[in-house]
Amino acid sequence: EAGVAQSPRYKIIEKRQSVAFWCNPISGHATLYWYQQILGQGPKLLIQFQNNGVVDDSQLPKDRFSAERLKGVDSTLKIQPAKLEDSAVYLCASSSRASNTEAFFGQGTRLTVV
Amino acid sequence: AQTVTQSQPEMSVQEAETVTLSCTYDTSESDYYLFWYKQPPSRQMILVIRQEAYKQQNATENRFSVNFQKAAKSFSLKISDSQLGDAAMYFCAYLGMIGNEKLTFGTGTRLTIIP
Repeated sequence: EAGVAQSPRYKIIEKRQSVAFWCNPISGHATLYWYQQILGQGPKLLIQFQNNGVVDDSQLPKDRFSAERLKGVDSTLKIQPAKLEDSAVYLCASSSRASNTEAFFGQGTRLTVV
Repeated sequence: AQTVTQSQPEMSVQEAETVTLSCTYDTSESDYYLFWYKQPPSRQMILVIRQEAYKQQNATENRFSVNFQKAAKSFSLKISDSQLGDAAMYFCAYLGMIGNEKLTFGTGTRLTIIP
């Protein structure tokens, strides 16, 4: 079974620039999560999709962050414009009832904003 | 809102010894899952062990076991016969089964194994 794929692995941008991250979840997983993990902290949920619908985006800074999940499969997370405090690892995870709720994680994208 | 608290930012243990990592959570739900995830320096989050709240029996996976105290809302992880490969960040996580089923993480415990 292929795992959760994320790209890119690393990204360095200047503040006020825009950036996009891509996630391909495990096939058949209805639930997709995007987390932000600042160095030394636990993952913070940014947005959760169930198929292609948003079920929780209460902690997503909507003035600069956006996310979509086309056709309930792949997802992209965008930041525009980026701030220094957006430097973090962005983790994508997917799960399903069939997987007994276990969330499978990608390797993450490390974003550095300079 | 559900919260997960890990009060030990760092722990260390001698190789082959036993260590216990603590986790408490707050919820008003009766049906939920609890998890321990391991995150090595490679960043990939890996599931260590899972506990279903309706099961009274504590989960066990080889050298890893939990002490689940539902009334106290406590969920600790015991690692027996610690190995060098166990060194990592360990995160406790909560998944509600009603409504949004949001997966919420604690702040993590960094475990160091002393050879």
